[in-house]
Order: sequence, then structure tokens, then C-alpha cells
Amino acid sequence: DTGVSQNPRHKITKRGQNVTFRCDPISEHNRLYWYRQTLGQGPEFLTYFQNEAQLEKSRLLSDRFSAERPKGSFSTLEIQRTEQGDSAMYLCASSFESQGGNTIYFGEGSWLTVV
Amino acid sequence: AQSVTQLGSHVSVSEGALVLLRCNYSSSVPPYLFWYVQYPNQGLQLLLKYTTGATLVKGINGFEAEFKKSETSFHLTKPSAHMSDAAEYFCAVSPDTGRRALTFGSGTRLQVQP
Repeated sequence: DTGVSQNPRHKITKRGQNVTFRCDPISEHNRLYWYRQTLGQGPEFLTYFQNEAQLEKSRLLSDRFSAERPKGSFSTLEIQRTEQGDSAMYLCASSFESQGGNTIYFGEGSWLTVV
Repeated sequence: AQSVTQLGSHVSVSEGALVLLRCNYSSSVPPYLFWYVQYPNQGLQLLLKYTTGATLVKGINGFEAEFKKSETSFHLTKPSAHMSDAAEYFCAVSPDTGRRALTFGSGTRLQVQP
């Protein structure tokens, strides 16, 4: 059973460029979450999917951010026109939603540095 | 609305000493509570969780936590610290319904002195 896989693990980009991160959740997990974590802080919720439907977006997710999960499996998070304030670790997580609750499993994160 | 407060951004203990990391939460609905550990440059690993039932929850690596509803607390303990326990620890809460996304505290960095 492989865990949540994210790539690339590290990305350095120039301000104004677009970047895309990919997340492959644990097989058969129907929920997928994106979080952002900056140094010294806990992860902050960005958005989540139930299968292919994006059900909620945080106010942290500006118009420059877009997330997709086209077939209810892997997901991508794209950041357009990156800004220095976007520098953070982007964490993907997945879970299997069931009546008895769910456990959310995290990937190892994708570090973004905007220079 | 939910929130988590972790008291003490840094905790230092000696190897073999008791570890106590504090977490208080607020939640308008019955909460699920979690502790995650994060090692440098890595993602988060689940230590333990409380959903329903027994309020004393045992997790991996000898950690345990007790849900105290009257105190809105979910403190993490370990009887004897090991050098390998040095990491960042995050307490998190989610509602028992709906999106169930986690709301995290700001974390506590645990240092273990030899």
C-alpha cells in the first residue's frame, strides 16, 4: 500500500511564473485535501475534493490558485503568476470518507520557493 | 467554527523524562481530535486520534492522549522521552460531520536533551 505521493518535492521558480504540483492519493481514497504550510506554522486548509467534485475552497485560495481532480484519482494544484508570498510547503492528503469517520493521511509535501 | 491552541511553541525535556504537550480546542460540534508528528522536511504522520469511545487513546511510539471534554483539552504524553522523539507536533481538530478537514494548531517543537 503506497502512501500519498507528491511531486515535485521541491520547486524553485521566478516570480510571475506558473507552477503545478501533482498529488496521487492512496488508492480508493475518495477524499483529497490540499493544505499550505509556512515555516513555524501549522498546515492551513486550502481546498478539498470528494471524488472529482471540489466541494470547498478556503479564502486563502486566491484566483491565482486552481485545483483539479479530473477523474477522482490524482489531483493537480496550479499557481499562476507566482508571488514571493506563495513560498511554502504544499501538502496533499487523502482519506476514505465513511460513516465512522476518516483518517487523513498526508504526503511528504511539495516545497515551493519563489525568487 | 473550530480552533486549536497549543501551549508552548517549544518544549525541551531530558532523555527518559516525561513528555507533555498541551492542546486545547474549541468546537461547536462534537470534535474528532488528532495528533500528528512532523520530522524535518517531511509530511505529517498520524500519532493517534480520538473519535468516539474511550477517552484515553494510545498511539504509535508510546504516545497517548486523553480527551477531556470538560477542559476542552487533548494533551499528548509519553512516559519516557527518546532522542528520536525530537520533532514538531501538531494537534488538530475536525468536526464529526461535513468536510471533516482538519484545523491545526501552530505546533510544538519538542527537543530532547541527552
